[in-house]
Amino acid sequence: EAQVTQNPRYLITVTGKKLTVTCSQNMNHEYMSWYRQDPGLGLRQIYYSMNVEVTDKGDVPEGYKVSRKEKRNFPLILESPSPNQTSLYFCASLGGKNTGELFFGEGSRLTVL
Amino acid sequence: AQKVTQAQTEISVVEKEDVTLDCVYETRDTTYYLFWYKQPPSGELVFLIRRNSFDEQNEISGRYSWNFQKSTSSFNFTITASQVVDSAVYFCALRAGGTSYGKLTFGQGTILTVHP
Repeated sequence: EAQVTQNPRYLITVTGKKLTVTCSQNMNHEYMSWYRQDPGLGLRQIYYSMNVEVTDKGDVPEGYKVSRKEKRNFPLILESPSPNQTSLYFCASLGGKNTGELFFGEGSRLTVL
Repeated sequence: AQKVTQAQTEISVVEKEDVTLDCVYETRDTTYYLFWYKQPPSGELVFLIRRNSFDEQNEISGRYSWNFQKSTSSFNFTITASQVVDSAVYFCALRAGGTSYGKLTFGQGTILTVHP
């Protein structure tokens, strides 16, 4: 089954404690991306990657890092989480340059105390 | 920079009413893609439709229809004879074409509540 898998789905952490949200897709997609969803703001793009070792900033990259060492995985790293990073995070992948549909993971709800 | 605006933050209707969700976009690209996604209370994002900038045909899928008008930069979504199961947050999104295809911008979302 084609899917994008995120872990953890839920996490409560404290300010400053580094954490990583993993994202893996089994569709051999080149493009992957991270979004955060906040009430009234919709989904905002954090980072995206068009292929292995190619990453670029989205609209809200501050406080986040990503890496793309292999095609299937695109982890989101919060080196020093702060309360304003409390949010619902989605990872997504896209089949090709002109394939419109984004395949989304189920979301990871992160709370930073 | 590209932008997507969904002017309606919340809409409340009674079952069987028709409802239209508005979406207006801004982009400098001549090639771009527009989408609608549904987010039911369970939280997942469900793809509904994609429309290319060079294809202004409207589309109907069951009770759903989409009206794409480049002249007004709008991509509106209509649900005919709404049902309680249509209650969700609906997002309109824009993706650039060409070398900027990685940038995807979502609107703020419209919360639709359909009452029995």
